[in-house]
Amino acid sequence: GDSVTQMEGPVTLSEEAFLTINCTYTATGYPSLFWYVQYPGEGLQLLLKATKADDKGSNKGFEATYRKETTSFHLEKGSVQVSDSAVYFCALNRGGYQKVTFGTGTKLQVIP
Amino acid sequence: EPEVTQTPSHQVTQMGQEVILRCVPISNHLYFYWYRQILGQKVEFLVSFYNNEISEKSEIFDDQFSVERPDGSNFTLKIRSTKLEDSAMYFCASSLPTNSNQPQHFGDGTRLSIL
Repeated sequence: GDSVTQMEGPVTLSEEAFLTINCTYTATGYPSLFWYVQYPGEGLQLLLKATKADDKGSNKGFEATYRKETTSFHLEKGSVQVSDSAVYFCALNRGGYQKVTFGTGTKLQVIP
Repeated sequence: EPEVTQTPSHQVTQMGQEVILRCVPISNHLYFYWYRQILGQKVEFLVSFYNNEISEKSEIFDDQFSVERPDGSNFTLKIRSTKLEDSAMYFCASSLPTNSNQPQHFGDGTRLSIL
């Protein structure tokens, strides 16, 4: 079945540091890939998405590129802020109405 | 921006009692979902619902669980006889009626605590 593997957390960075959170997936066909973010005490918010190979999703300074050859969708941000502290979930689905499969989540803490 | 709304935000229930979690999906969405997240663990799919019937369900979604769309706006998850292991955050989601790759939009969740 489908699965998503992402790097263990927590990740602690200083403000303005470069962020990478690794994500790899296993799925047949051509799934859509997502990053969701969960701020403390809140629900899941879609951060960015990519629907086909070599697509780059971007939002709020975050980027991730759909790499089919390495089955990866790593999340990056050039300069993190304290307000980016949250749990980040990599996820996929087969499209349309199909279920979303989530990774275990990576907690990011940014310190001033 | 339209949102998925869930009530209550926190529900405390005695083991063995029935509980109903409520969701109002985004108004023009036609696919609805429930997920749960046990504390510290990954978000897990429970069930998807379309055209007044279940489209897909996971192994977690056993006979204790049921879903319903009682009117044109609400989507509910019922747990008939709650167990301690049902304690989790439950997320409702909805998506557009299309086969294209539209993302699912999630609510803020209901934290269910079973005592």
